[in-house]
Amino acid sequence: KNEVEQSPQNLTAQEGEFITINCSYSVGISALHWLQQHPGGGIVSLFMLSSGKKKHGRLIATINIQEKHSSLHITASHPRDSAVYICAVSRGGADGLTFGKGTHLIIQP
Amino acid sequence: EPEVTQTPSHQVTQMGQEVILRCVPISNHLYFYWYRQILGQKVEFLVSFYNNEISEKSEIFDDQFSVERPDGSNFTLKIRSTKLEDSAMYFCASSADRVGTGELFFGEGSRLTVL
Repeated sequence: KNEVEQSPQNLTAQEGEFITINCSYSVGISALHWLQQHPGGGIVSLFMLSSGKKKHGRLIATINIQEKHSSLHITASHPRDSAVYICAVSRGGADGLTFGKGTHLIIQP
Repeated sequence: EPEVTQTPSHQVTQMGQEVILRCVPISNHLYFYWYRQILGQKVEFLVSFYNNEISEKSEIFDDQFSVERPDGSNFTLKIRSTKLEDSAMYFCASSADRVGTGELFFGEGSRLTVL
């Protein structure tokens, strides 16, 4: 059974700090997804990646397939970045994503 | 920007009742999914739907649950004889390509409370 582990579970930082959230998984995957869940509950897809690195605005996602590890970075963090960030993986041949428990991020002004 | 819409946003029901949660996926998407999140827990996969049939379902998706695409736009999740433990946020999602190839778009969720 594939397990997705995220760290840290909770993170509080000051505005402007560089944020890193980590995700490790235990079996081969076809892609890894980073998602953002707002306080109201809605989920937004941030990145889908299967190799290398992707950047969108202040967000950067990297993945190391050999080490089965991915990181999500937020540069120049802002209070509006406060949310739960979720790592999820898709396995080849399977439709359903397997989710991590999420990282609850709070950025204080 | 196209989006996945879900109704209702919140439904309260009595134990034993049937509920139908509705979703309108993005119009040109071909793959549809239901996920659920029990309060304080991680999101779990329920079922995927492609070409008018279930393509994969999890252990959670037992005979109590069913999905349907009654017309060209709606995608529904029916929960029969609801139990207290069915209380959760239910998310619909859609993608143009199979997961792992195509980006997944989620709706805002339908919160189900079973009393």
